[in-house]
Amino acid sequence: DTAVSQTPKYLVTQMGNDKSIKCEQNLGHDTMYWYKQDSKKFLKIMFSYNNKELIINETVPNRFSPKSPDKAHLNLHINSLELGDSAVYFCASSQSAGTSGGRQYFGPGTRLTVT
Amino acid sequence: AQSVTQLGSHVSVSEGALVLLRCNYSSSVPPYLFWYVQYPNQGLQLLLKYTTGATLVKGINGFEAEFKKSETSFHLTKPSAHMSDAAEYFCAVSGDTGTASKLTFGTGTRLQVTL
Repeated sequence: DTAVSQTPKYLVTQMGNDKSIKCEQNLGHDTMYWYKQDSKKFLKIMFSYNNKELIINETVPNRFSPKSPDKAHLNLHINSLELGDSAVYFCASSQSAGTSGGRQYFGPGTRLTVT
Repeated sequence: AQSVTQLGSHVSVSEGALVLLRCNYSSSVPPYLFWYVQYPNQGLQLLLKYTTGATLVKGINGFEAEFKKSETSFHLTKPSAHMSDAAEYFCAVSGDTGTASKLTFGTGTRLQVTL
């Protein structure tokens, strides 16, 4: 069973389009995250939700909107896609801090290419 | 604020040689420290983590790391490299914010293993 899954794995789209990436975890965790890995492999947190509540919101353009329908899902919607949005997006989950030493479980990633 | 510095974006070792990947961190709170490995086109897999207690931490695949508070370091080592160890390695620091563990990553070190 896949612990953290993401769909789609690859996404190719044109500038200006709107797209969504879905993430689901079956670990029973209550905290989920989105990270962006750029072309130089640099990983940076974007958002974190705990029990459907936004906890971390880094400096991310407001074209990016996370949505958490329940604590097992955290989707990422991106409006008006730009070339610079091309990256690999990773979803992750963890138990609430203090119970797991902060360990996060990562999904396989979604490679977004904007043309 | 937290930060991670990984010295050497690219490390090359011979099969059977010692692997040493360097990581220094900065944290205003007691840190949780992690090493993750990323194989090509895959997500991140936890190698090991330090939370509290014993400063020498053993992880999977024969890797270990030592937390040295006085040096603010958490270097990753493996006595004998194997071809299958070739991957990208990320050091990360986390400071719990109560409900979410924000991971701050280093820029990664690509390990190449040669015959």
